[in-house]
Amino acid sequence: AQTVTQSQPEMSVQEAETVTLSCTYDTSESDYYLFWYKQPPSRQMILVIRQEAYKQQNATENRFSVNFQKAAKSFSLKISDSQLGDAAMYFCAYRGFTGANSKLTFGKGITLSVRP
Amino acid sequence: NAGVTQTPKFRVLKTGQSMTLLCAQDMNHEYMYWYRQDPGMGLRLIHYSVGEGTTAKGEVPDGYNVSRLKKQNFLLGLESAAPSQTSVYFCASSYPVGGGSNQPQHFGDGTRLSIL
Repeated sequence: AQTVTQSQPEMSVQEAETVTLSCTYDTSESDYYLFWYKQPPSRQMILVIRQEAYKQQNATENRFSVNFQKAAKSFSLKISDSQLGDAAMYFCAYRGFTGANSKLTFGKGITLSVRP
Repeated sequence: NAGVTQTPKFRVLKTGQSMTLLCAQDMNHEYMYWYRQDPGMGLRLIHYSVGEGTTAKGEVPDGYNVSRLKKQNFLLGLESAAPSQTSVYFCASSYPVGGGSNQPQHFGDGTRLSIL
């Protein structure tokens, strides 16, 4: 079974600074997908960024980028130029490549606060 | 565009009562999922479905039943509610995975359920 570990329960960043959220995972599959989801106080689950394991290039979405290290099974999220609206809980998630493994396996989440 | 709609948004039950949570999606997705979110636990999969008329158990299925009679609907039932089932429940849907198609899961806004 796959597992996702987010070892930092909380982090804080100064507005306009950069912060990196860590995530590691364990799997025996060679192909899979990784995601970061954001959950603000409104409780919505918002997709931030996604990465296909077969792609070597790290995904980027505006101020959000990942550092994907397949051999180390590490998938960290970097938020540049942090904004007050980035304050939320962030979940790292793993998804397998076939139907039976299409479910998302989530980490326990990290609460990010942004200081003005 | 509605996306994934969960009904109800809030509910309070007494121990032993039964209820059904409804999830409806209008994106013609094959796959649908029910998760529960508890503090410090992330989201955990209860049951999922890869197509109309098919369901499968997830990580924490005990005490829940599901049905997928129509492609667009996925029902989650609690036959005899217990305080341990107090949680926030999320429904999600997606296209099939595999073949290089990295379609993310789309989430509903959640249902907060309290069992007294």
